[in-house]
Amino acid sequence: TQLLEQSPQFLSIQEGENLTVYCNSSSVFSSLQWYRQEPGEGPVLLVTVVTGGEVKKLKRLTFQFGDARKDSSLHITAAQPGDTGLYLCAGDFYGGSQGNLIFGKGTKLSVKP
Amino acid sequence: NAGVTQTPKFRVLKTGQSMTLLCAQDMNHEYMYWYRQDPGMGLRLIHYSVGEGTTAKGEVPDGYNVSRLKKQNFLLGLESAAPSQTSVYFCASRARGRAEQPQHFGDGTRLSIL
Repeated sequence: TQLLEQSPQFLSIQEGENLTVYCNSSSVFSSLQWYRQEPGEGPVLLVTVVTGGEVKKLKRLTFQFGDARKDSSLHITAAQPGDTGLYLCAGDFYGGSQGNLIFGKGTKLSVKP
Repeated sequence: NAGVTQTPKFRVLKTGQSMTLLCAQDMNHEYMYWYRQDPGMGLRLIHYSVGEGTTAKGEVPDGYNVSRLKKQNFLLGLESAAPSQTSVYFCASRARGRAEQPQHFGDGTRLSIL
């Protein structure tokens, strides 16, 4: 069974602080996705990373894929209350067209004004 | 744009009752999924479908059945509900191609089994 370890599980910070969320596995990902979920809604895709060492930026969010494609991180600069939500990483370990995603347990972020 | 629509949004059942959750997507996606989300457990795949008329088991299929009679609809059935099936159920769909294609989620069905 492939496992995705996500840390920390909970994070409560003040507006303006920086934070990093980690997603790790002992297996190699074919690709990895990050989703954000707000209360009462379904997850929404933020980014997909495919290439080892890849870095993608989405405004104040920076996503990094490890060189060995076994880990990923999400860094938020100057967090705002609107960043509050559940962040989920999801990995595809098998590649191909019928690979299913394995989801981490999520990081619940609370940004206080 | 509707995207993925789940009905009902909330439901309370008694142990042993049956019900069907409906997922409808208007994006002409080939692949559809049913997940359950429990506190501290992330999303776990129940069943999925790679096309009309085909279904397959995911990580936690026991106690559930599914059908994909039409491309746009994916039904999740509970034949005899148990308290352990209290959860939030999410449906998702994605286009044909590699698994890195984004999954589009509905807003969930909150199900309580008493």
